Amino acid sequence: AQSVSQHNHHVILSEAASLELGCNYSYGGTVNLFWYVQYPGQHLQLLLKYFSGDPLVKGIKGFEAEFIKSKFSFNLRKPSVQWSDTAEYFCAVNGGMNRDDKIIFGKGTRLHILP
Amino acid sequence: DTGVSQDPRHKITKRGQNVTFRCDPISEHNRLYWYRQTLGQGPEFLTYFQNEAQLEKSRLLSDRFSAERPKGSFSTLEIQRTEQGDSAMYLCASSSQGVPLFGPGTRLTVL
Repeated sequence: AQSVSQHNHHVILSEAASLELGCNYSYGGTVNLFWYVQYPGQHLQLLLKYFSGDPLVKGIKGFEAEFIKSKFSFNLRKPSVQWSDTAEYFCAVNGGMNRDDKIIFGKGTRLHILP
Repeated sequence: DTGVSQDPRHKITKRGQNVTFRCDPISEHNRLYWYRQTLGQGPEFLTYFQNEAQLEKSRLLSDRFSAERPKGSFSTLEIQRTEQGDSAMYLCASSSQGVPLFGPGTRLTVL
């Protein structure tokens, strides 16, 4: 069965610090990978996705993620965070060739940026 | 059409009552998903549809839960004989190109 592990449950950073949120998944075959973000009081929004091709994907608001197949990882990065990045971040995976299959979420990482 | 909509946004009910939630997906999307999210957890998959066909139901979905998508457009999720443990945010998403887009959710509180 597919599963997603997010190592950091709560991260606190100061503005302008660099960010890396860990995500590992368990699935041996073809995967599609996602990061979603949930800002306070808002619904889940797609930050970025990986289906195939360049393993370094860029998303909205300066975020990027790197797919490392050998490590089953899809870590999220941002070189310089802003106070407005305070939110909860969810990594998700869809295993298999059918991109429209269900996606499985990790438990999330709550990010708090200090002004 | 600006996105996935869900109704109601909030529902408070007493234990033992039945509740029904509605989801209207983005119009050209043929896949529709239901998830449940509790505090401090990621969304948990409940069920999903391809047009009107229900493709999979999670083991989380007990016999008290039923979902329909009768004409392949909107969907309903019904919970019968609600329990306090059903209190959660119920999320709906739709997709057509492999990227589920989520609605605002329905927050259920069971007293």
